[in-house]
Amino acid sequence: NAGVTQTPKFRVLKTGQSMTLLCAQDMNHEYMYWYRQDPGMGLRLIHYSVGEGTTAKGEVPDGYNVSRLKKQNFLLGLESAAPSQTSVYFCASRLGQSNTEAFFGQGTRLTVV
Amino acid sequence: TQLLEQSPQFLSIQEGENLTVYCNSSSVFSSLQWYRQEPGEGPVLLVTVVTGGEVKKLKRLTFQFGDARKDSSLHITAAQPGDTGLYLCAGAGYALNFGKGTSLLVTP
Repeated sequence: NAGVTQTPKFRVLKTGQSMTLLCAQDMNHEYMYWYRQDPGMGLRLIHYSVGEGTTAKGEVPDGYNVSRLKKQNFLLGLESAAPSQTSVYFCASRLGQSNTEAFFGQGTRLTVV
Repeated sequence: TQLLEQSPQFLSIQEGENLTVYCNSSSVFSSLQWYRQEPGEGPVLLVTVVTGGEVKKLKRLTFQFGDARKDSSLHITAAQPGDTGLYLCAGAGYALNFGKGTSLLVTP
């Protein structure tokens, strides 16, 4: 099994450009998450989804949008990238709320210049 | 957002030493998870604690959930270089929120 796959792994954007990060999971998980990780800040939740067609805001949602049109995919969009969005982005999925393990992708390193 | 405070933020010890890291909150959690993250990788689950006062052991790692389910600790006995990494606690609700983590370096 591939588990959780993030695409792309690296990207450099110019300020104002847009892009979409793709997260795909093959474990039939209900819940999916997008995080950003910056030095000394741990993992901060951007948006999450508790099922196909649903999304909710996390701790730091501004400047990002998400969609969960298919259960296996969770897309994170940046409409107009800013240098403050330079970070490592992680996607995670888990079966459901009840104490279940979250599985993470390998991360996407995004630099906005 | 339920805030999780982790301490210490950084810890550098020598092989063989014991250590404890802490995860504290003013909120009550139905369960709490500990993850370890190595450089360039995503976090990997170590344990989930559910019951107040619960103690779980994973080889040299001992996890404790506070009686009031607001705090947790991770104790490592005889640390090894392979224990090096970022240790993160998370409150396991709908939104899986993490603390800032404890960065542990174990030198030979």
